[in-house]
Amino acid sequence: DAGVIQSPRHEVTEMGQEVTLRCKPISGHNSLFWYRQTMMRGLELLIYFNNNVPIDDSGMPEDRFSAKMPNASFSTLKIQPSEPRDSAVYFCASSRGDGYTFGSGTRLTVV
Amino acid sequence: TQLLEQSPQFLSIQEGENLTVYCNSSSVFSSLQWYRQEPGEGPVLLVTVVTGGEVKKLKRLTFQFGDARKDSSLHITAAQPGDTGLYLCAGDESGAGSYQLTFGKGTKLSVIP
Repeated sequence: DAGVIQSPRHEVTEMGQEVTLRCKPISGHNSLFWYRQTMMRGLELLIYFNNNVPIDDSGMPEDRFSAKMPNASFSTLKIQPSEPRDSAVYFCASSRGDGYTFGSGTRLTVV
Repeated sequence: TQLLEQSPQFLSIQEGENLTVYCNSSSVFSSLQWYRQEPGEGPVLLVTVVTGGEVKKLKRLTFQFGDARKDSSLHITAAQPGDTGLYLCAGDESGAGSYQLTFGKGTKLSVIP
């Protein structure tokens, strides 16, 4: 298995633009998680899905953030409009209940 | 949400030294995991501990789960430069059939050759 695949690896965008981050989980993993990591706050859970259904989105900062999982092999995290304070590394992780496998992350810079 | 505190926040040691890092909470966890994260990559699972008092060894790394399942420690013997990274503990706060981890902020370890 290729592991959890995230794209793009790096994204630089201007304030106000829409940003879409993508994730392909490991086949057979029924849970998918989106995290944001910063030096100040560490890893923060944004949202997680179980069997493609959003279970807990209480970590989503505000209405500018949205996430979808249209099928078991794909998820997106969208920020619209983006702001400089959204700059961080965004991780996707998948699990079948025995530990998380993380992707390599997307480093987002909003200027 | 259960809070996990890790200490120390930063640790810089010479190659060959021993070290211990800690993960503490006021809450009980059904299980606890340790991850290592290298620059530019996502965290990688090292070990899961489930039973209070459990000790697990992974080469030079020794993991212990507290008797009350509220805390854990990671001891590294004869540290190597390859041990450099961010060590994260994560507690399982699953309930009602869910599986969700809460992460500490980590201990950033630098092993100097």
